[in-house]
Amino acid sequence: RKEVEQDPGPFNVPEGATVAFNCTYSNSASQSFFWYRQDCRKEPKLLMSVYSSGNEDGRFTAQLNRASQYISLLIRDSKLSDSATYLCVVARDDYKLSFGAGTTVTVRA
Amino acid sequence: NAGVTQTPKFQVLKTGQSMTLQCAQDMNHNSMYWYRQDPGMGLRLIYYSASEGTTDKGEVPNGYNVSRLNKREFSLRLESAAPSQTSVYFCASSETGERTDTQYFGPGTRLTVL
Repeated sequence: RKEVEQDPGPFNVPEGATVAFNCTYSNSASQSFFWYRQDCRKEPKLLMSVYSSGNEDGRFTAQLNRASQYISLLIRDSKLSDSATYLCVVARDDYKLSFGAGTTVTVRA
Repeated sequence: NAGVTQTPKFQVLKTGQSMTLQCAQDMNHNSMYWYRQDPGMGLRLIYYSASEGTTDKGEVPNGYNVSRLNKREFSLRLESAAPSQTSVYFCASSETGERTDTQYFGPGTRLTVL
Protein backbone atom coordinates (compact mmCIF):
# COMPACT_ATOMS: atom_id res chain seq x y z
CA ARG A 1 0.00 0.00 0.00
CA LYS A 2 1.29 3.46 -0.89
CA GLU A 3 2.05 5.70 2.03
CA VAL A 4 0.10 8.59 0.50
CA GLU A 5 -2.78 8.06 -1.92
CA GLN A 6 -4.64 10.60 -3.99
CA ASP A 7 -7.40 10.52 -6.58
CA PRO A 8 -5.50 11.43 -9.75
CA GLY A 9 -8.52 13.22 -11.26
CA PRO A 10 -8.64 15.16 -13.44
CA PHE A 11 -11.17 17.46 -11.85
CA ASN A 12 -12.51 19.69 -14.61
CA VAL A 13 -14.36 22.68 -13.21
CA PRO A 14 -15.62 25.98 -14.61
CA GLU A 15 -14.19 29.27 -13.43
CA GLY A 16 -15.80 30.37 -10.20
CA ALA A 17 -16.67 26.85 -9.06
CA THR A 18 -15.60 25.16 -5.86
CA VAL A 19 -13.53 22.01 -6.07
CA ALA A 20 -12.42 19.75 -3.24
CA PHE A 21 -10.39 16.59 -3.04
CA ASN A 22 -8.82 14.38 -0.42
CA CYS A 23 -5.68 12.46 0.22
CA THR A 24 -5.25 9.50 2.57
CA TYR A 25 -2.09 8.50 4.41
CA SER A 26 -1.27 5.13 5.86
CA ASN A 27 1.13 5.90 8.69
CA SER A 28 -0.60 7.05 11.85
CA ALA A 29 2.76 8.34 13.13
CA SER A 30 2.81 11.06 10.47
CA GLN A 31 3.40 14.42 12.05
CA SER A 32 3.27 17.16 9.44
CA PHE A 33 1.14 17.67 6.38
CA PHE A 34 1.35 19.89 3.34
CA TRP A 35 -0.14 20.64 -0.02
CA TYR A 36 2.34 21.40 -2.79
CA ARG A 37 1.38 22.65 -6.22
CA GLN A 38 3.07 21.50 -9.41
CA ASP A 39 2.44 23.18 -12.74
CA CYS A 40 2.92 21.17 -15.91
CA ARG A 41 6.61 20.25 -16.37
CA LYS A 42 7.66 22.49 -13.49
CA GLU A 43 8.95 21.95 -9.99
CA PRO A 44 6.68 21.48 -6.94
CA LYS A 45 6.11 24.53 -4.77
CA LEU A 46 4.59 24.73 -1.32
CA LEU A 47 0.96 25.80 -1.43
CA MET A 48 0.19 25.54 2.27
CA SER A 49 0.87 23.61 5.42
CA VAL A 50 -2.06 21.77 7.00
CA TYR A 51 -2.69 22.30 10.69
CA SER A 52 -4.72 20.15 13.05
CA SER A 53 -7.44 22.75 13.43
CA GLY A 54 -7.69 23.35 9.69
CA ASN A 55 -6.51 26.50 8.00
CA GLU A 56 -7.28 28.89 5.19
CA ASP A 57 -5.08 30.81 2.82
CA GLY A 58 -7.23 33.06 0.69
CA ARG A 59 -9.41 30.84 -1.49
CA PHE A 60 -7.73 27.65 -0.28
CA THR A 61 -8.86 25.69 2.77
CA ALA A 62 -7.05 22.66 4.13
CA GLN A 63 -8.39 20.21 6.69
CA LEU A 64 -6.79 17.34 8.59
CA ASN A 65 -8.68 14.36 9.95
CA ARG A 66 -6.28 12.31 12.06
CA ALA A 67 -8.86 9.74 13.10
CA SER A 68 -9.57 8.78 9.50
CA GLN A 69 -6.06 9.64 8.31
CA TYR A 70 -6.90 12.00 5.50
CA ILE A 71 -6.31 15.59 4.55
CA SER A 72 -8.39 17.66 2.18
CA LEU A 73 -7.99 20.73 0.02
CA LEU A 74 -10.85 22.96 -1.06
CA ILE A 75 -10.48 25.68 -3.65
CA ARG A 76 -13.22 28.32 -3.78
CA ASP A 77 -13.95 30.64 -6.68
CA SER A 78 -11.60 28.75 -8.98
CA LYS A 79 -9.38 30.74 -11.33
CA LEU A 80 -7.81 29.61 -14.59
CA SER A 81 -4.46 29.98 -12.85
CA ASP A 82 -5.45 27.30 -10.33
CA SER A 83 -5.04 24.66 -13.05
CA ALA A 84 -2.24 22.46 -11.76
CA THR A 85 -1.46 19.18 -10.06
CA TYR A 86 -1.81 19.29 -6.29
CA LEU A 87 0.54 17.06 -4.35
CA CYS A 88 -0.35 15.78 -0.91
CA VAL A 89 2.77 15.56 1.24
CA VAL A 90 3.20 13.89 4.59
CA ALA A 91 6.23 14.06 6.89
CA ARG A 92 6.79 11.30 9.39
CA ASP A 93 10.41 11.99 10.20
CA ASP A 94 12.83 14.83 9.80
CA TYR A 95 14.31 15.07 6.31
CA LYS A 96 11.83 12.64 4.77
CA LEU A 97 8.65 13.62 3.00
CA SER A 98 6.23 11.17 1.38
CA PHE A 99 4.54 12.52 -1.72
CA GLY A 100 1.27 11.49 -3.26
CA ALA A 101 1.14 11.12 -7.03
CA GLY A 102 -1.02 14.23 -7.29
CA THR A 103 -4.54 15.34 -8.15
CA THR A 104 -4.90 17.24 -11.41
CA VAL A 105 -7.28 20.19 -11.50
CA THR A 106 -8.24 21.89 -14.74
CA VAL A 107 -10.23 25.11 -14.56
CA ARG A 108 -12.01 26.03 -17.79
CA ALA A 109 -13.24 29.43 -18.91
CA ASN B 1 18.67 35.14 -5.58
CA ALA B 2 18.26 32.15 -7.93
CA GLY B 3 17.02 29.67 -5.29
CA VAL B 4 17.83 26.11 -6.37
CA THR B 5 19.47 25.59 -9.74
CA GLN B 6 20.06 22.32 -11.59
CA THR B 7 22.11 21.38 -14.62
CA PRO B 8 21.56 20.04 -17.16
CA LYS B 9 17.85 20.56 -17.91
CA PHE B 10 17.73 17.64 -20.34
CA GLN B 11 19.99 14.66 -20.95
CA VAL B 12 19.88 11.53 -23.09
CA LEU B 13 22.20 8.68 -22.17
CA LYS B 14 22.86 5.23 -23.53
CA THR B 15 22.69 2.26 -21.20
CA GLY B 16 25.94 1.95 -19.28
CA GLN B 17 27.01 5.57 -19.62
CA SER B 18 27.68 7.67 -16.56
CA MET B 19 26.79 11.23 -15.72
CA THR B 20 26.57 13.68 -12.85
CA LEU B 21 23.59 15.92 -12.16
CA GLN B 22 24.54 19.18 -10.52
CA CYS B 23 22.53 21.13 -7.96
CA ALA B 24 23.27 24.37 -6.15
CA GLN B 25 21.30 26.56 -3.75
CA ASP B 26 21.97 30.12 -2.69
CA MET B 27 19.62 30.27 0.31
CA ASN B 28 22.24 29.16 2.86
CA HIS B 29 20.17 26.04 3.58
CA ASN B 30 21.65 23.21 5.59
CA SER B 31 19.73 20.29 4.08
CA MET B 32 19.58 19.14 0.48
CA TYR B 33 17.75 16.33 -1.30
CA TRP B 34 17.55 14.41 -4.55
CA TYR B 35 14.21 13.05 -5.74
CA ARG B 36 12.99 11.28 -8.83
CA GLN B 37 9.49 11.65 -10.25
CA ASP B 38 7.93 8.98 -12.45
CA PRO B 39 4.47 9.02 -14.05
CA GLY B 40 1.72 7.93 -11.69
CA MET B 41 4.04 7.97 -8.70
CA GLY B 42 4.88 10.55 -6.11
CA LEU B 43 8.33 12.00 -5.81
CA ARG B 44 10.65 9.46 -4.25
CA LEU B 45 13.68 10.39 -2.19
CA ILE B 46 16.96 9.05 -3.56
CA TYR B 47 19.48 10.58 -1.15
CA TYR B 48 19.59 13.45 1.24
CA SER B 49 22.19 15.49 3.03
CA ALA B 50 21.14 16.75 6.43
CA SER B 51 24.09 19.11 6.61
CA GLU B 52 27.41 19.75 4.94
CA GLY B 53 29.58 16.67 5.22
CA THR B 54 26.77 14.14 5.69
CA THR B 55 24.74 12.09 3.25
CA ASP B 56 22.14 9.38 3.77
CA LYS B 57 20.13 6.99 1.65
CA GLY B 58 16.53 7.66 0.93
CA GLU B 59 13.85 5.38 -0.43
CA VAL B 60 15.44 4.45 -3.79
CA PRO B 61 19.25 4.83 -3.60
CA ASN B 62 20.33 1.86 -5.72
CA GLY B 63 22.29 2.87 -8.82
CA TYR B 64 23.09 6.35 -7.51
CA ASN B 65 25.80 8.09 -5.54
CA VAL B 66 25.90 11.60 -4.15
CA SER B 67 28.43 14.16 -3.04
CA ARG B 68 27.81 17.15 -0.81
CA LEU B 69 30.60 19.23 -2.21
CA ASN B 70 30.05 22.17 0.14
CA LYS B 71 27.08 23.85 1.77
CA ARG B 72 25.78 25.10 -1.57
CA GLU B 73 26.24 22.10 -3.86
CA PHE B 74 24.88 18.55 -3.88
CA SER B 75 25.53 16.35 -6.90
CA LEU B 76 23.95 13.07 -7.99
CA ARG B 77 25.94 10.56 -10.00
CA LEU B 78 24.71 7.68 -12.12
CA GLU B 79 27.68 5.35 -12.58
CA SER B 80 26.13 3.02 -15.14
CA ALA B 81 22.81 4.30 -16.39
CA ALA B 82 19.92 1.90 -16.95
CA PRO B 83 16.58 2.46 -18.74
CA SER B 84 14.84 2.17 -15.35
CA GLN B 85 16.57 5.42 -14.39
CA THR B 86 14.67 7.34 -17.05
CA SER B 87 12.88 9.94 -14.95
CA VAL B 88 12.66 13.57 -13.95
CA TYR B 89 15.15 14.39 -11.20
CA PHE B 90 14.53 17.18 -8.74
CA CYS B 91 16.97 18.65 -6.28
CA ALA B 92 15.56 20.41 -3.23
CA SER B 93 16.82 22.23 -0.17
CA SER B 94 15.45 23.23 3.21
CA GLU B 95 16.74 25.39 6.00
CA THR B 96 17.10 22.75 8.69
CA GLY B 97 15.57 19.49 7.46
CA GLU B 98 12.99 19.41 10.23
CA ARG B 99 9.73 17.86 9.15
CA THR B 100 7.93 21.20 9.36
CA ASP B 101 10.37 22.86 6.97
CA THR B 102 9.43 23.96 3.50
CA GLN B 103 11.43 22.26 0.79
CA TYR B 104 12.39 24.40 -2.21
CA PHE B 105 12.83 22.60 -5.49
CA GLY B 106 14.99 23.18 -8.51
CA PRO B 107 13.52 23.15 -12.04
CA GLY B 108 14.39 19.50 -12.63
CA THR B 109 16.50 17.45 -15.02
CA ARG B 110 14.70 15.27 -17.57
CA LEU B 111 16.83 12.19 -18.14
CA THR B 112 16.21 9.55 -20.77
CA VAL B 113 18.28 6.37 -20.81
CA LEU B 114 18.11 4.42 -24.05
